[in-house]
Amino acid sequence: EDKVVQSPLSLVVHEGDTVTLNCSYEVTNFRSLLWYKQEKKAPTFLFMLTSSGIEKKSGRLSSILDKKELSSILNITATQTGDSAIYLCAVMDSNYQLIWGAGTKLIIKP
Amino acid sequence: DTEVTQTPKHLVMGMTNKKSLKCEQHMGHRAMYWYKQKAKKPPELMFVYSYEKLSINESVPSRFSPECPNSSLLNLHLHALQPEDSALYLCASSQPLLRLWAYEQYFGPGTRLTVT
Repeated sequence: EDKVVQSPLSLVVHEGDTVTLNCSYEVTNFRSLLWYKQEKKAPTFLFMLTSSGIEKKSGRLSSILDKKELSSILNITATQTGDSAIYLCAVMDSNYQLIWGAGTKLIIKP
Repeated sequence: DTEVTQTPKHLVMGMTNKKSLKCEQHMGHRAMYWYKQKAKKPPELMFVYSYEKLSINESVPSRFSPECPNSSLLNLHLHALQPEDSALYLCASSQPLLRLWAYEQYFGPGTRLTVT
């Protein structure tokens, strides 16, 4: 059965710290891996990683896909209180469906 | 315009009511999705429309009836719902589903549905 596992499930750090969130997957016919940020409502798209684009960066956020290890990390440097959210990892399978991880709840303390 | 809009934001309905959720996007996306999200859980896929045709139905009960009247609009018709159907209903859209490429999905803010 396809699955996506995120760790840790929750994380509390202080403003200015750097955090690394993990996502590992076992998905038949992997197509892409996506990271989303969810605050109070809908998930907001962050990155999509594919075999032809295994590293992405946007401001303080960056992500790497390791196809050999079947995993991805999401890094956030110089964290701010506005980074507090649930970070969701999802893998798209051969049917173009997203298989979601349970999410990592990140809390940034001032 | 990278926005997906949904109406209403909140909906309370009885088990005998009929209501509809609406979703709209103007990004030229030809794939649209309905998800259901319960508290502290990731979204669960319900339906996928590709080029206005239903392409995926994840064994959703018939009390949920999707409709895609045109490439910008997606509706979810609700009838005889149960209290356990209370959840956040999310609409998303993406570029068309092609064999070799996958595209990111953009989500609307959701409709918070409460069934009493």
